[in-house]
Amino acid sequence: QMQLVQSGPEVKRPGTSVKVSCEASGFSFVSSAVQWVRQARGQGLEWIGRIAVGSGDTGFAQKFQERVTITRDMATSTVYLDLSSLRSEDTAVYFCAAIRWGAVSGMDVWGQGTTVTVSS
Amino acid sequence: QSALTQPASMSESPGQSITISCTGTRIDLDDYNSVSWYQQHPGKAPKLIIYDVNNRPSGVSARFSASKSGSTASLTISGLQAEDEADYFCCSYTSSGTVVFGGGTKLTVL
Repeated sequence: QMQLVQSGPEVKRPGTSVKVSCEASGFSFVSSAVQWVRQARGQGLEWIGRIAVGSGDTGFAQKFQERVTITRDMATSTVYLDLSSLRSEDTAVYFCAAIRWGAVSGMDVWGQGTTVTVSS
Repeated sequence: QSALTQPASMSESPGQSITISCTGTRIDLDDYNSVSWYQQHPGKAPKLIIYDVNNRPSGVSARFSASKSGSTASLTISGLQAEDEADYFCCSYTSSGTVVFGGGTKLTVL
């Protein structure tokens, strides 16, 4: 079945970086765009950015542009989110989600979420 | 990028219908037909229930329908059931190629 499996929870100090992985299976990885979305406890969804897997083209929300990197590894069908200069406000559950080109133009495959806690 | 505006909470009785609104601006909702809606139960990942304004993915109940007029999109759930109690988020592409979500609506089925 189609799925995205994310890496485990992270606890980080302020000012450091975190790298979260998202491994795809069960669908055409190269024909997808993987989004990263985060959700602080009790809050709404916030889009961070995306990567078009085939081209490697990326796009980011303005507030994250200076400190986020999204990459992909075609050999392992994995997308990575790298967020630097962490602060307490970055504490949230981070989700990856895929838009499958030629299927439905919405995020119809989601990862289970990765909890990132930023605390001194 | 401002979030799309949704009512924070709504409630309705089982069997009734409810419509959740999602208001944006010309640069996000008005010019595009890329509105999607997501349902999220507590502790779970969001689930796509509507894409491209009014299309349901395979397996999503026909009780869910949606529309858009100008800068306002709407999600209607008919024949409310207890399992529909969840958070609902609208989502749209913007003219700059980014994505914006609504603040979310907590639906209570009384």
